[in-house]
Amino acid sequence: GAVVSQHPSRVICKSGTSVKIECRSLDFQATTMFWYRQFPKQSLMLMATSNEGSKATYEQGVEKDKFLINHASLTLSTLTVTSAHPEDSSFYICSASDEQETQYFGPGTRLLVL
Amino acid sequence: ILNVEQSPQSLHVQEGDSTNFTCSFPSSNFYALHWYRWETAKSPEALFVMTLNGDEKKKGRISATLNTKEGYSYLYIKGSQPEDSATYLCAPVVDSSYKLIFGSGTRLLVRP
Repeated sequence: GAVVSQHPSRVICKSGTSVKIECRSLDFQATTMFWYRQFPKQSLMLMATSNEGSKATYEQGVEKDKFLINHASLTLSTLTVTSAHPEDSSFYICSASDEQETQYFGPGTRLLVL
Repeated sequence: ILNVEQSPQSLHVQEGDSTNFTCSFPSSNFYALHWYRWETAKSPEALFVMTLNGDEKKKGRISATLNTKEGYSYLYIKGSQPEDSATYLCAPVVDSSYKLIFGSGTRLLVRP
């Protein structure tokens, strides 16, 4: 149980375009979803925390207007990278948490902005 | 910025060897410690959640211990197998928001 899917797994886009990444909990209802980013040879860094139906809480240094998070249901959260630039190229990964506080991770999305 | 250190960064062992690695974290404001296993091209898999000083958890050939007073946790793998090859991540929780702060991981390669 506790499967989280993420789509797409890989995306290449031109600079200036927006990219949407979906995170779904497939077999449980996620009270909270988290979005992380990982740059090469670095650890997973939390970007934001979102609860269903409310605004996301962003970590310090993460621009909320650039990384739009929508958590419209207990099984779906989306991250939109707006006006992507090459420095946004990274590995983005989501996790979903049930009431037991364990976070279940998706497989991640590798974004390359040309 | 909370400093979570994992050592070694990478480890190559022979099949059948037992191995262990370390996660160090600040001992103040401790809530819990999570261990994850992350195989290439897959999702990180939750291994253990540990909360109490002296906790010891076991899952098959993998076990973990926790020392919250000195701020470290050990992960042990007994009789390593090639399928154990993965990056092992630890993540302490240090406040009531329950945010995970990840270390950079120990990359384990088990040679057949």
